[in-house]
Amino acid sequence: SQQGEEDPQALSIQEGENATMNCSYKTSINNLQWYRQNSGRGLVHLILIRSNEREKHSGRLRVTLDTSKKSSSLLITASRAADTASYFCVFATGYGGATNKLIFGTGTLLAVQP
Amino acid sequence: ETGVTQTPRHLVMGMTNKKSLKCEQHLGHNAMYWYKQSAKKPLELMFVYNFKEQTENNSVPSRFSPECPNSSHLFLHLHTLQPEDSALYLCASSQGTGREQYFGPGTRLTVT
Repeated sequence: SQQGEEDPQALSIQEGENATMNCSYKTSINNLQWYRQNSGRGLVHLILIRSNEREKHSGRLRVTLDTSKKSSSLLITASRAADTASYFCVFATGYGGATNKLIFGTGTLLAVQP
Repeated sequence: ETGVTQTPRHLVMGMTNKKSLKCEQHLGHNAMYWYKQSAKKPLELMFVYNFKEQTENNSVPSRFSPECPNSSHLFLHLHTLQPEDSALYLCASSQGTGREQYFGPGTRLTVT
């Protein structure tokens, strides 16, 4: 299976703490993306990191990518109750004329306690 | 609002019914997708359309029939579904395949 694996499957933290989620994948990728899903706003794209990048920031989000280990991590700093959601590691695969498609993992369920 | 709308938001249908799901994107994207999301399973890609041409059919049963009349609209025609087809069906669009995707709110389908 090309599907990635996320760790942990569930995470519960207090507001203000940092949350770190990890994911691993098996195939070569063009880019890796993180998405968030909650009941209020549906499935939303958070950040994209290309295969030739090692780190990327967006607001309170920091993503790292290690292509030699085929792994990525998402750090959310100073978490808020509104960050409560499922977070998905998604990688884009395919080269040349082949369709680049996104492969979704099973997600990490993050609960931020007020 | 993500710029991708889906109707209906909820649908209950019997196994002998025929219904259609509609998706519309207002982002000027050229690629559109159908996904199936079932409880405790990863999001499953069903179909990919790029510039109105189907480029991916991920071994989806023929009781699901997609239609893409133009780059802004995508339909999923349903007939003789099974109870295990009950799920959240998500539509997405992107500017080029492999790029960040924008998702609609989904249609919660229940097959009785």
